[in-house]
Amino acid sequence: AQSVTQLDSHVSVSEGTPVLLRCNYSSSYSPSLFWYVQHPNKGLQLLLKYTSAATLVKGINGFEAEFKKSETSFHLTKPSAHMSDAAEYFCVVSVKGTGKSTFGDGTTLTVKP
Amino acid sequence: NAGVTQTPKFQVLKTGQSMTLQCAQDMNHNSMYWYRQDPGMGLRLIYYSASEGTTDKGEVPNGYNVSRLNKREFSLRLESAAPSQTSVYFCASSEASGLAGGQYTQYFGPGTRLTVL
Repeated sequence: AQSVTQLDSHVSVSEGTPVLLRCNYSSSYSPSLFWYVQHPNKGLQLLLKYTSAATLVKGINGFEAEFKKSETSFHLTKPSAHMSDAAEYFCVVSVKGTGKSTFGDGTTLTVKP
Repeated sequence: NAGVTQTPKFQVLKTGQSMTLQCAQDMNHNSMYWYRQDPGMGLRLIYYSASEGTTDKGEVPNGYNVSRLNKREFSLRLESAAPSQTSVYFCASSEASGLAGGQYTQYFGPGTRLTVL
């Protein structure tokens, strides 16, 4: 079985300050982990993914995430928030052989000027 | 290269009516998926198709049927719509699923906003 918990439903930051979106996962097997972003009234777009290579993963638009097996976490960070980062972010866990992905409930990021 | 396309973008139905949501991808992907998105609940898998000719139930299949028409197209049918099916529906595709597929990126369509009165 697999599950994912996004620890904050809403995060608000000021433009130019760091962003931290937290994700914990549970999986019986070695997982693949993803972060997707959804802008208002749009589909989901991949930000980055971890598939058992380097534990620090760099994605688009300056985002990165670190896979920490001991903490079962995959937190998303960005050094400096931009207004265009305001969106909903989903953490996703997927396991080989299942054909299925499990989505977190999402974190809404607000960026204040 | 349009990626994943969905039709219609918006739909309003009355309880008991039927309709089919269409999805097509032009990336030659083997696997396709249907999700629904409800406020505060993330995306939940309705059905998926690991390859042409196969379909499997996801987390919330009740009230839905699917058809993998060919490699490109994967449709979702509501036979008798209910207000509980008011949601945003997303189609997605990936290179593969199943034994090799956990690591593959899913590509999403823009969604269909369905309201059932």
